[in-house]
Amino acid sequence: KNQVEQSPQSLIILEGKNCTLQCNYTVSPFSNLRWYKQDTGRGPVSLTIMTFSENTKSNGRYTATLDADTKQSSLHITASQLSDSASYICVVSFRAFYSSASKIIFGSGTRLSIRP
Amino acid sequence: NAGVTQTPKFQVLKTGQSMTLQCAQDMNHEYMSWYRQDPGMGLRLIHYSVGAGITDQGEVPNGYNVSRSTTEDFPLRLLSAAPSQTSVYFCASSEHPIRETQYFGPGTRLLVL
Repeated sequence: KNQVEQSPQSLIILEGKNCTLQCNYTVSPFSNLRWYKQDTGRGPVSLTIMTFSENTKSNGRYTATLDADTKQSSLHITASQLSDSASYICVVSFRAFYSSASKIIFGSGTRLSIRP
Repeated sequence: NAGVTQTPKFQVLKTGQSMTLQCAQDMNHEYMSWYRQDPGMGLRLIHYSVGAGITDQGEVPNGYNVSRSTTEDFPLRLLSAAPSQTSVYFCASSEHPIRETQYFGPGTRLLVL
């Protein structure tokens, strides 16, 4: 079964600290992996997108890594800020084109809270 | 450039009522989709469209209808609302459903009593 699992479910850290969020997937065949940030009451916003051949992608203080062999990805946040408080969602896409079955699977997200 | 807009932001319905959730995008994207987001679960695809006049079902289509008469608009209709449809609904658009980033609207929070 194609699945995307994220850990931890929730995380609280102090402002200025670093943190790493995890995403494991069983999707096959793999097309790409994206990380989204979702602020409370808002729609998700894309942070990074990585294809099979990429193993790291940065967007400011956000760095995503991908190990396609072990089917794991991580999102590292450096020098956290209060505005980083949000849910972070891992999304894995199939290689196949759209069909009647969903070809994009969303993880349930990690809820990150930054404390001053 | 407003991106993806959704209306209403919040709606309360009684069981059996019908309504339409509106979605519009001004980025000339061919691909549009509707998702629902429930606590503790990832977003689930309801319906999607690959262009004007073309729609298809996603993972959880029952109880919902869509149409795509223009590139810009992709409304979602609830035919007869049920409490199980209480959720937050997101509309998204992209140039390509797999290769390109999806842009999400702000969401519609729906409560069915």
